[in-house]
Amino acid sequence: EAQVTQNPRYLITVTGKKLTVTCSQNMNHEYMSWYRQDPGLGLRQIYYSMNVEVTDKGDVPEGYKVSRKEKRNFPLILESPSPNQTSLYFCASSLILGGYNEQFFGPGTRLTVL
Amino acid sequence: EDQVTQSPEALRLQEGESSSLNCSYTVSGLRGLFWYRQDPGKGPEFLFTLYSAGEEKEKERLKATLTKKESFLHITAPKPEDSATYLCAVQANTGNQFYFGTGTSLTVIP
Repeated sequence: EAQVTQNPRYLITVTGKKLTVTCSQNMNHEYMSWYRQDPGLGLRQIYYSMNVEVTDKGDVPEGYKVSRKEKRNFPLILESPSPNQTSLYFCASSLILGGYNEQFFGPGTRLTVL
Repeated sequence: EDQVTQSPEALRLQEGESSSLNCSYTVSGLRGLFWYRQDPGKGPEFLFTLYSAGEEKEKERLKATLTKKESFLHITAPKPEDSATYLCAVQANTGNQFYFGTGTSLTVIP
């Protein structure tokens, strides 16, 4: 089954404790992206990757890191989480074939930073 | 600055009562406009992609249209299972980012 998986689905942590949210897709998509979704602000893009070893900042990259060492995986790293990073996070992927196609989204990771 | 605005924020319809959702956008050259449906607690699910003014796409009770400044998602004779938040996103042809609107929360009452 074609899918984007994220882990963990729920996470409660404390300020400053480094964490990683994993994202994996099994569709051989080139494009992968991380979003955060906050009430009243909608989905905002954090980072995206056009392919292996190619990453770029989205609208809200501060406080986040990403890496793309393999095509299928795109982890999101919070080196020193703060309460303002409490949010619902989505990973997404898509093909780049003659232009951008639909993005497939993961189920989301709800993060609370105390 | 690239921007997407959706209206209304929330919409309540009786079952069978047709209506339209609006997505207005400001981008420096549109590469594509995307509609998604999002159910509570889930990731967005793709509905349509529109690329140029005048283009229309349909799927069951939904029809998406595009002009140079806005897109409409028309819902004909909605059913309760159409209740969801509908998201609009755009991509400019100057970059590889996606910009989402804040969505329209649709409730269809039986």
